[in-house]
Amino acid sequence: ETGVTQSPTHLIKTRGQQVTLRCSSQSGHNTVSWYQQALGQGPQFIFQYYREEENGRGNFPPRFSGLQFPNYSSELNVNALELDDSALYLCASSRGQGLSTGELFFGEGSRLTVL
Amino acid sequence: DAKTTQPNSMESNEEEPVHLPCNHSTISGTDYIHWYRQLPSQGPEYVIHGLTSNVNNRMASLAIAEDRKSSTLILHRATLRDAAVYYCILRDLSSGSARQLTFGSGTQLTVLP
Repeated sequence: ETGVTQSPTHLIKTRGQQVTLRCSSQSGHNTVSWYQQALGQGPQFIFQYYREEENGRGNFPPRFSGLQFPNYSSELNVNALELDDSALYLCASSRGQGLSTGELFFGEGSRLTVL
Repeated sequence: DAKTTQPNSMESNEEEPVHLPCNHSTISGTDYIHWYRQLPSQGPEYVIHGLTSNVNNRMASLAIAEDRKSSTLILHRATLRDAAVYYCILRDLSSGSARQLTFGSGTQLTVLP
């Protein structure tokens, strides 16, 4: 069983640029969530995708957007990068719409540095 | 949303039991108690969850107070590999907020050889 994989693992961007991060969910999982983790803090929920539609969103501005594809993989897009966007971006997959006690499986994250 | 309170850090000796506390005095009847941990340079990893009764699995045990206002994650024999940040999280499955895990700062567990 393949776990959650994310790419790239590390990247550096400059302020104002745009970035796309990718996530392949675990086999059999149809729900993908994205989290942002700043240094020294716990992860913060960005949004969740189920059946290719966003079905939950945290307190993040519209310049954070996403996609989910028919194979359940997902992308996180961030436009107009700001210095505070520097963080570890985590993808998590699960079964169902996330309204059960089912566990989330996290990838190892994409470390974004904005200069 | 109900919040959790955990100590910032704890230390344990290798091969000894570890009891990680979590306070959640405003817990509601529909809140499940989840624990995740995050090893260095990795994403969070599910450990255990429960509602009212104590729970055991291959990784740990979860002891829930009778009034549910606190809980304790128990690692029966700590190993160096258990050094991680441990997060206690409440999930209210009666609302859409269950879709997200609300992480606090967690407890940094250091295991001493």
